[in-house]
Amino acid sequence: GAVVSQHPSRVICKSGTSVKIECRSLDFQATTMFWYRQFPKKSLMLMATSNEGSKATYEQGVEKDKFLINHASLTLSTLTVTSAHPEDSSFYICSATGTSGHLQETQYFGPGTRLLVL
Amino acid sequence: DAKTTQPNSMESNEEEPVHLPCNHSTISGTDYIHWYRQLPSQGPEYVIHGLTSNVNNRMASLAIAEDRKSSTLILHRATLRDAAVYYCILSRNQGGKLIFGQGTELSVKP
Repeated sequence: GAVVSQHPSRVICKSGTSVKIECRSLDFQATTMFWYRQFPKKSLMLMATSNEGSKATYEQGVEKDKFLINHASLTLSTLTVTSAHPEDSSFYICSATGTSGHLQETQYFGPGTRLLVL
Repeated sequence: DAKTTQPNSMESNEEEPVHLPCNHSTISGTDYIHWYRQLPSQGPEYVIHGLTSNVNNRMASLAIAEDRKSSTLILHRATLRDAAVYYCILSRNQGGKLIFGQGTELSVKP
């Protein structure tokens, strides 16, 4: 149980275009979802926290107009990288926590989405 | 958020126990200790977490010092598939946000 999926797994886009990444909790309801990015050989950096039905809370230094997060249902959150540039190329990872028991005690991570902006 | 300190890397032999240390001297009374691991090009995987008492699950054991200023993740018999970066993270509540440090890169030799 507690499976989180991401789509797409990898995407290549041209500079200036927008890219949407989906994060889904497949077998549980996720009240809270988190978005991270990770550069090569570096650790994960938390970008934002989103609760279903409310606006995301962004970490300091993360541009909310650049990285749009929508958490419209208890099983889906999306991250849209707007007007992507090569420096946005990274590994984007989402995670989710559930509503009860062990599901609310820890975060369950998706497999990640590798974005390459040309 | 309280910080954790881990060795950058460790080596182990296959089928031997591994003890991964973590120091968190500024831990507060309500901070939970979480361990995750990340294989290359994958999202992190939950390993174990605890508050004060030692914890065991099918993957590992977590030994927490009496003063809670340090903890040790124990893999009882390392396999090649345990080669990963292991992160020790503190969080204010169990499902709260996680701030990842650099972690310990564990390599396992056959």
